Parts: sequence; C-alpha cells; structure tokens
Amino acid sequence: DVKVTQSSRYLVKRTGEKVFLECVQDMDHENMFWYRQDPGLGLRLIYFSYDVKMKEKGDIPEGYSVSREKKERFSLILESASTNQTSMYLCASRGTGTGLSNTGELFFGEGSRLTVL
Amino acid sequence: AQSVAQPEDQVNVAEGNPLTVKCTYSVSGNPYLFWYVQYPNRGLQFLLKYITGDNLVKGSYGFEAEFNKSQTSFHLKKPSALVSDSALYFCAVILRHNFNKFYFGSGTKLNVKP
Repeated sequence: DVKVTQSSRYLVKRTGEKVFLECVQDMDHENMFWYRQDPGLGLRLIYFSYDVKMKEKGDIPEGYSVSREKKERFSLILESASTNQTSMYLCASRGTGTGLSNTGELFFGEGSRLTVL
Repeated sequence: AQSVAQPEDQVNVAEGNPLTVKCTYSVSGNPYLFWYVQYPNRGLQFLLKYITGDNLVKGSYGFEAEFNKSQTSFHLKKPSALVSDSALYFCAVILRHNFNKFYFGSGTKLNVKP
C-alpha cells in the first residue's frame, strides 16, 4: 500500500517558535506538496516540490519555507510561528507522467494539526 | 480564473436513501476530475476520478460520479447511504497541461442519519 507519513499528528507551539513538519513517502514519487486546510476555505497550496532541492511557491507561501534534501522527504518550516498559522497541515505526493498510466491523483498523509498559542 | 464550486456546505440524508454531493467547475481546457473523502482528523482519501471515456465512473465504497461536460459538473452519488459515509467530501480538478496544480472545492459535509 502507498504511504505518506507525517511525523506529528498534533503539535502545540508558542508564538515565535520555529516549527518543523516532516513528511515521508514510500512511493518514489517525484512530486510532493504541502497544503493548509481551514474550515470554509478548503485546501490551499503552500509549496510543492517536483524534484530534490527544487521547490515552487503555491498560493499562500508567506511565513513558510520548505526543504527537500531527499526524494522521499519534504519538510515544512515555520520560521517564527504565529497564531494565524494554527491550522491542519496536509502533505501529499504524486508520481510524474501525464499519460493514462499516471492520471494525477494525490496521495495524502494523515495531517498535522498545529496549534500556536 | 479556474475554480471548483461545491454549492452545498452540508448535505443531510437518511440511511438507505440515495445521496448526491454536487460539484461544478469552471476551467479553460480539458480537466481531470477527482473526488476525495476526509474522515474527522484524518487526511484525504482518493475515491474516484474521471479521465476520459464513459461519463459514469465508479469508485471506492460504492460511490460513483457522473461527468457532464455541457453542465461542467461532476456530481458524486451513491444509491444507498450508510451512516459510515458521514464525512467531508472534496471535489478537485487538474488540467492536462499542469498536473501539479489542483483546484479544490471548499468541501461538503455529508451527514447520514440512522
């Protein structure tokens, strides 16, 4: 079975702390994503990575950075957490290819619920 | 601008009755369409997708969805709802020239009452 693992399910941090959210996938996927989920707003893309050391900004990158040093691991970093970053964070991955053999579905982790006090 | 709409924040249905969760989209180009389900405090799970071919696609847990190109819709359906189907459902679209850009709807909460 395919698996995307997020290291922390629940975190509580204080304003100004540095926060690391880790994500590992075992499917040898090239593409990895970090989304933020808030009630009524659906899923919003923070960053994605299409290869090791490569990254692109999504719709809401402000206040976040990412790191992809190995193919299977994609980290989301909050340099200085703020209360408005309290949210559910979802990591996802997908393989590469545009033919019918890879039709694009994302595989999600279980989510990391972050509370910033 | 590309967008996906799920016009109902919440859908209530009695167990055993048919259910429909609506999704419409507005995109330029040919879309691939997806439905995902999310149980409380969990990640999203893939349910089904439309790529090409038959407009009626079948997916996991007895769900199906019908692609209607003229109405730009992709409604999720199930003939007989179960209490365990209660969850949050997301419709998503990607375009064939950019598989890394997913457009998600805002989600519909399905409540199935016994």
